[in-house]
Formats: sequence, structure tokens, C-alpha cells
Amino acid sequence: QKEVEQDPGPLSVPEGAIVSLNCTYSNSAFQYFMWYRQYSRKGPELLMYTYSSGNKEDGRFTAQVDKSSKYISLFIRDSQPSDSATYLCAMSGSPGGGSYIPTFGRGTSLIVHP
Amino acid sequence: GAGVSQTPSNKVTEKGKYVELRCDPISGHTALYWYRQSLGQGPEFLIYFQGTGAADDSGLPNDRFFAVRPEGSVSTLKIQRTERGDSAVYLCASSLSGINTEAFFGQGTRLTVV
Repeated sequence: QKEVEQDPGPLSVPEGAIVSLNCTYSNSAFQYFMWYRQYSRKGPELLMYTYSSGNKEDGRFTAQVDKSSKYISLFIRDSQPSDSATYLCAMSGSPGGGSYIPTFGRGTSLIVHP
Repeated sequence: GAGVSQTPSNKVTEKGKYVELRCDPISGHTALYWYRQSLGQGPEFLIYFQGTGAADDSGLPNDRFFAVRPEGSVSTLKIQRTERGDSAVYLCASSLSGINTEAFFGQGTRLTVV
């Protein structure tokens, strides 16, 4: 079993829909949680970065972390065709425990159709 | 520069040849990571530098792979006796320090071994 599990999709939604993307993990030492967006033939672009449990909102994006369930989510409101990309979750530990080198999921392919 | 710069963007080489991939991180970033991404997969960790030293090289697949960062800025990933299985996108990321895991990626080098 991989440390970080992510459904590869594809996830296809109509424009304007609320999108929910998720990852589960097994390493309880993970403290930092990140979401990256990757367009085809481009490098990953950092979208959201959170520490420990809770919610963080940035524009149309909301990141949620539930450490008790080892489950993280990214919500995209009012999705746009330009949101079509692969979304990668990544996580790492802290100096007090676990490696602080980001470990990635395999990514979920999102398609937002007009 | 403003972001992480990787050169070349594409590299085609013959099996058995030696290649060098270059990464120029964000100015002032002491932490530098190399990852490898195969089609449909998330980035896989190769090696992590803190300053000039390789703090963690546990992801290097074998002794054909080597990386240096002699002055704590630019890094070079070197692959000897390339094999077709080395074909992938090689991604470089940097962050302000190893503690702050907001890692920013370059566009990657697409390596094809024929």
C-alpha cells in the first residue's frame, strides 16, 4: 500500500459545479499538506498549503485536513474549463517526526466541460 | 529568476549515453529536491539537498544516478549508462528551507532514452 492514495479519475464535471478531490494517507507523522495543479506537459504549481488539521480557503479553493481520519480534500467552487488539469496532493512530516520531504499522490485528472 | 528554471526542457539520448540535467532554484532557497514523474503517476522523490550537501539521497534508484549542488544554488542531476526505463520527466523543486515545505517546481526536463 502506498503512503498516499489518490484516485486517478478522470473526474468529469460541468462548468459551475463544485468539485471535491480527495487523498488518504497512512503515515500519521504527516503534518504539512499541499495541493498542486499540473497542466499537461508543465510542472506542478502550488495551490494550497496547510499545516495540521482544519480548513483553509483561498478564492474558489478550500482545503480541508482531517488528521483523525487521515483524509484530505480540496474543494473547487464554480469550476471553470480552465481548472481542467491534474491535481496532486502532497504531504510531509515535521522536524519532530517524520521526513519533511513531500510525498505525492498519483494525481486526479479533472475535466470541466463547458 | 522568478521561478525554478530547468534545462534542457527536452532531451533525447541513446541508450548507454550519459546525460546531465540542470536545475536553477529560486534565489535564496536553501532546499532543493529532484523528483521523477512517469506518465500517469505522481512525482517520485529522488534526492534532497540542504545547501551544498545531499541530506537525503534514498530515492536514487541505483548508482547510475548522481546529483551535485557544489555552491548551494544550481544543481545537476547526472545519469550514466542511460536505459530506456529512465525515460520520464525529471522535476526540480526548491523551498526556502527544509522546514518550510512550500516547494515550488520547475517545468521539468522530459528525458527520452531511445
